[in-house]
Amino acid sequence: KQEVTQIPAALSVPEGENLVLNCSFTDSAIYNLQWFRQDPGKGLTSLLLIQSSQREQTSGRLNASLDKSSGRSTLYIAASQPGDSATYLCAPNEKLTFGTGTRLTIIP
Amino acid sequence: DGGITQSPKYLFRKEGQNVTLSCEQNLNHDAMYWYRQDPGQGLRLIYYSQIVNDFQKGDIAEGYSVSREKKESFPLTVTSAQKNPTAFYLCASSMFGNTEAFFGQGTRLTVV
Repeated sequence: KQEVTQIPAALSVPEGENLVLNCSFTDSAIYNLQWFRQDPGKGLTSLLLIQSSQREQTSGRLNASLDKSSGRSTLYIAASQPGDSATYLCAPNEKLTFGTGTRLTIIP
Repeated sequence: DGGITQSPKYLFRKEGQNVTLSCEQNLNHDAMYWYRQDPGQGLRLIYYSQIVNDFQKGDIAEGYSVSREKKESFPLTVTSAQKNPTAFYLCASSMFGNTEAFFGQGTRLTVV
């Protein structure tokens, strides 16, 4: 059974800093991996989808990498802004198994 | 305006009553999913469907039922057999399994 772990569980950084969120998963036989953000009391917003054949995917200030063999993905956020404050979740696209996410707070 | 619509946003029910949560999508997606989220916990899969008239149990299906009579609709019924139904319920869809998934805004169910 796929298990997903995200470290750290919570992170607070000053505005403008670059940061990295980590995601690890136990079953490397995945087709792709998706990153989401969730604002309090809201649904999930898709940020990036990385296909298993890709190593990286970029969207604006976000860059996600995927290393299937080691069961790891990272989400890099450049020049963080207060609006980036949210919970970030990763999910291997095999019935979308989720961990508990990383709660990110950007301090103005 | 394409997307996934969950209704209602808030739902209150008395203990022992069945309740049905609505999920509709106009994205022409084949696959649809239901998740449950509890405070401080990740999302847990209840049921999923990859095609009309077919669905499979997820990790926590006990006390729930679904139907998939139309491609665009995947309603979830929370039955009286569900021991702790108060939670935030999220519906998602994707073109087919293993493609980008999109979520609705959720229904917060409170059972009193």
